[in-house]
Amino acid sequence: EAGVTQFPSHSVIEKGQTVTLRCDPISGHDNLYWYRRVMGKEIKFLLHFVKESKQDESGMPNNRFLAERTGGTYSTLKVQPAELEDSGVYFCASSQSRAGQETQYFGPGTRLLVL
Amino acid sequence: DAKTTQPNSMESNEEEPVHLPCNHSTISGTDYIHWYRQLPSQGPEYVIHGLTSNVNNRMASLAIAEDRKSSTLILHRATLRDAAVYYCILRTSYDKVIFGPGTSLSVIP
Repeated sequence: EAGVTQFPSHSVIEKGQTVTLRCDPISGHDNLYWYRRVMGKEIKFLLHFVKESKQDESGMPNNRFLAERTGGTYSTLKVQPAELEDSGVYFCASSQSRAGQETQYFGPGTRLLVL
Repeated sequence: DAKTTQPNSMESNEEEPVHLPCNHSTISGTDYIHWYRQLPSQGPEYVIHGLTSNVNNRMASLAIAEDRKSSTLILHRATLRDAAVYYCILRTSYDKVIFGPGTSLSVIP
């Protein structure tokens, strides 16, 4: 079974540009999560989709970040315009349910560097 | 804020058992205790989870205190590939996962 995949693995852009990150969850997983780790900090939750609906977006840092999950399959996270402080590693995770015992499966991450 | 506390770092000799402690004194009755680890340049990886009873799987064992205010992840024989940051996390249904700083485990050959 294929795991969670993320694209691209790395992205280097200049401040002010736009970048779109993609996450393909494990097939059949309704729950999809985005996290990020900025340099020297802990991994932080960004948002949670249940199918195509945003269940919790309390971790989104500001309105420069837009997440979508059209059709309830893959998800995209767009940063527009990118700022220096957006540099970090963006992880996506998926799970079948939201139950407390449910495992979240993480992708390898997208390493974003904003110059 | 993370609801667990862990030592910042630990060292182990290769082939030796490793006991990684975690305190979660404010745990509620519905919180599951999860452990994830993150190897260098990879995403977090599920290790094990439990509610009240000790748990074993092919990767590790989880020992949960009777009052559930602490737990210990046990790696029975550390290998170099076990060098990673280990996260102890409490999860309740509908809760987002909150990562703390974790324990950075070094394995000495």
